[in-house]
Amino acid sequence: DADVTQTPRNRITKTGKRIMLECSQTKGHDRMYWYRQDPGLGLRLIYYSFDVKDINKGEISDGYSVSRQAQAKFSLSLESAIPNQTALYFCATSTPDRRGEQFFGPGTRLTVL
Amino acid sequence: QKEVEQNSGPLSVPEGAIASLNCTYSDRGSQSFFWYRQYSGKSPELIMSIYSNGDKEDGRFTAQLNKASQYVSLLIRDSQPSDSATYLCATRRGGYQKVTFGTGTKLQVIP
Repeated sequence: DADVTQTPRNRITKTGKRIMLECSQTKGHDRMYWYRQDPGLGLRLIYYSFDVKDINKGEISDGYSVSRQAQAKFSLSLESAIPNQTALYFCATSTPDRRGEQFFGPGTRLTVL
Repeated sequence: QKEVEQNSGPLSVPEGAIASLNCTYSDRGSQSFFWYRQYSGKSPELIMSIYSNGDKEDGRFTAQLNKASQYVSLLIRDSQPSDSATYLCATRRGGYQKVTFGTGTKLQVIP
């Protein structure tokens, strides 16, 4: 079984709809992240969480919110989706030691029409 | 200036050759350096980590770090068509967990 899972894997929605992307992990890591990837722009950090009570904005948090329901679960919400939020979204976890190696889920391809 | 810079490529090498991928970074406080491989439409996969100056070898992969020049490279020996992917360079500042990614270099290994 995959260590980091994301649901759904693909989603098509309409402008103005609320969308939730879910991430679960069995790696036992405290630290979890949400990224989006766009062609030519690379991976950009949306939100990150060092533990259940610690949530931080990344470089592109506007239009997004997150919830850390448990150590193993970290959800990303788009309150009112817009077309420029069409992207590939990745959840990641990182090792708890100083090395900070990150491990990614399979991704969610989101299309906002 | 981007924090982590990579040539977007594509870098084309014949099968069996050495592929050399390069990355420069701007934050002198960076202490951890990573190379990820990403196949089209898939998630990034960690292939190498390096934390001190010099070379680190793992199978066909060698990561090289030069902190004075703020330069990281990845060598892939005996390149195979299955190595064709985008390679992401990433850095992390000591004491923090935020990782900064480059936009990646696309590698094409020609059979």
